[in-house]
Amino acid sequence: GIQVEQSPPDLILQEGANSTLRCNFSDSVNNLQWFHQNPWGQLINLFYIPSGTKQNGRLSATTVATERYSLLYISSSQTTDSGVYFCAVWGKLTFGKGITLSVRP
Amino acid sequence: DAGVTQSPTHLIKTRGQQVTLRCSPISGHKSVSWYQQVLGQGPQFIFQYYEKEERGRGNFPDRFSARQFPNYSSELNVNALLLGDSALYLCASSGRTGGYNEQFFGPGTRLTVL
Repeated sequence: GIQVEQSPPDLILQEGANSTLRCNFSDSVNNLQWFHQNPWGQLINLFYIPSGTKQNGRLSATTVATERYSLLYISSSQTTDSGVYFCAVWGKLTFGKGITLSVRP
Repeated sequence: DAGVTQSPTHLIKTRGQQVTLRCSPISGHKSVSWYQQVLGQGPQFIFQYYEKEERGRGNFPDRFSARQFPNYSSELNVNALLLGDSALYLCASSGRTGGYNEQFFGPGTRLTVL
């Protein structure tokens, strides 16, 4: 099956800093999503981005399908950005192991 | 519009018992998928149903079963519970099956097996 690797596994930022989260996948895909999981376990959709670039406020994402990676950018981070970020690709929606982000005030 | 709903929110069972979890998809969505998330890991795919038919199955034992009803809601059943079945069970709905479709997740059911 498709392998999904996310890096770095953990990230600690000071409030206001920018960050880049990476997702590599082992095969071509036609569905890639980024999620933020809050402390109560709810998976919140951030981006549905099989290819190209999208922006939503302080967040943006880029997927280069031909090179099998996707990047999630967080600018001017806030404490409310803390949590676990997952990317998932079609292949029965295979998830990476997640990136734990901690934003300190 | 309401999002994906799941019930119950929390559940405590003992080893050997059986459990049924329920999911209602977003109105108009015909596909429901189930995932298991153990602590510290990403969700693992269990089943996908579309138009009441099973369209995909993950690497889970036969103790796990599911079905989808004519109103597109779904149930996940787990028999002969083991301690290792303790996890957050997530349901997702989408408009279609296969690729090119965005999945939306419910809040999950947290199952504890004692």
